[in-house]
Amino acid sequence: EVQLLESGGGLVQPGESLRLSCAASGFTFNTYAMRWVRQAPGKGLEWVSAISGGGTTTYYADSVKGRFTISRDNSKNTVYLQMNSLRAEDTAVYYCAQRGTTGFFDYWGQGTLVTVSS
Amino acid sequence: EIVLTQSPGTLSLSPGERATLSCRASQSVSSSLAWYQQKPGQAPRLLIYDASNRATGIPARFSGSGSGTDFTLTISSLEPEDFAVYYCQQGSNWPLTFGQGTEVEIK
Repeated sequence: EVQLLESGGGLVQPGESLRLSCAASGFTFNTYAMRWVRQAPGKGLEWVSAISGGGTTTYYADSVKGRFTISRDNSKNTVYLQMNSLRAEDTAVYYCAQRGTTGFFDYWGQGTLVTVSS
Repeated sequence: EIVLTQSPGTLSLSPGERATLSCRASQSVSSSLAWYQQKPGQAPRLLIYDASNRATGIPARFSGSGSGTDFTLTISSLEPEDFAVYYCQQGSNWPLTFGQGTEVEIK
C-alpha cells in the first residue's frame, strides 16, 4: 500500500524558513517522480514543485522559484521542500504526491499546514 | 501557462441525479487531463486520467470525455458520498495547472 506522510509544517514569521519532509513507503521510491501541491485556506489546488526519480530534474511554479528548493534522498525514501523567505501568501496546506503510472497525481499524503504570520 | 476554467462553480443536485462538470483549457492539452475529487479535510483523490480513463477503484458512474480544450466529467447517478469539490488538472505543459474547482452540493 502506497503511503505518503508529510511533516515539518508549523507557524513561522514572514522572511523565515521551513523544511517540509514527505516519507514514502509501499513502492519503489527512486523510480517515481514526486511533487508538492499546496492549498491556501478555502482555496483551490496549486502545483508548487516536482522532482524526477533520480533527483536530477526539478521544476518550480513561478510563485516559488528562487525561494523554494525540492530535493530527495532515495536512501531514506523521502522528498523535501526547503522553503525560504516565506511570505503570508505561502500559507497553505502542503501535500506531497506521487507521479504515478498514470502520469498524474496518483497518490497523495494527508498534508501539513504551513502558516506564515507575524 | 495553460489556464483551466471549470464551470459551473457550484452544482446543486439531489442524490440519484446526473452531474455534468466542464473544464476548458486556454490551449490544447490533447488528452493530458485528469479529474480529482476532494472532500472537506481530505487530500484530493484521482478519479480520471488521460481525459477518459478511470483510476484504480473508481466506480463506473464516473466517466470523463473530451480532448483538446474541452473536457467533461459526468457522474451518472449521484451517491451521497459524491458531494464534494472536483478539480481538473492538465499534464501537457509546465507549469502543471489546476482548474479552480466545481463544488457539487446537495440540493
